[in-house]
Amino acid sequence: DVVMTQTPVSLSVSLGGQTSISCRSSQSLVHSDGNTYLYWYLQKPGQSPQLLIYKVSNRFSGVPDRFSGSGSGTDFTLKISRVEPEDLGVYYCYQGTHYPPTFGAGTKLELK
Amino acid sequence: EVQLVETGGGLVQPGRSLKLSCVASGFTFNNYWMSWTRQAPGKGLEWVASITNSGGSTYYPDSVKGRFTISRDNAQNTLYLQMNSLRSEDTATYYCTLGPDYWGQGVMVTVSS
Repeated sequence: DVVMTQTPVSLSVSLGGQTSISCRSSQSLVHSDGNTYLYWYLQKPGQSPQLLIYKVSNRFSGVPDRFSGSGSGTDFTLKISRVEPEDLGVYYCYQGTHYPPTFGAGTKLELK
Repeated sequence: EVQLVETGGGLVQPGRSLKLSCVASGFTFNNYWMSWTRQAPGKGLEWVASITNSGGSTYYPDSVKGRFTISRDNAQNTLYLQMNSLRSEDTATYYCTLGPDYWGQGVMVTVSS
């Protein structure tokens, strides 16, 4: 199975600040069809996960441009700028390139 | 608006069975693969099962293969997860998902004597 390693485990950020989360996969996430099926989710307290970024760098419908994704191969990053209170929660990366699909262990974003 | 509403959770004894349902609306159900993903209390996310849009193929991780069965009724816009031989480690919130994009609110399953 592909192991998704997220760092850091937790982050403390000031409102209005900027931060980033890293996700590394144990093998390349480039699919044979040429796409890279790497996604980012935010799970707010008491809620189900919500999709932020799909296929590395595409913002999902309604996601503000404060969120951006980048990376390739095995190394990916989620950047959050101008952090707002509603950004707090646990962020997960997820790969759908290889079966079984796997998630990172999560990064908890908290207020400083 | 996409909606996924799960039902059927509850407390069940080890070794017993439970069937979850997910009623979908807001999209053309029979055009999409559907999945179940779970989250143990205070833990991360684990993919549990997927089914093709026709229902002709299903996929599972080793942790549930042979015990869980995903199925769908495209006429009723409903996804199911039949869970047999339940274990304490199956205790989790189970989410119905439309591809990787949309998630239901989840339903809690507790396996305990």
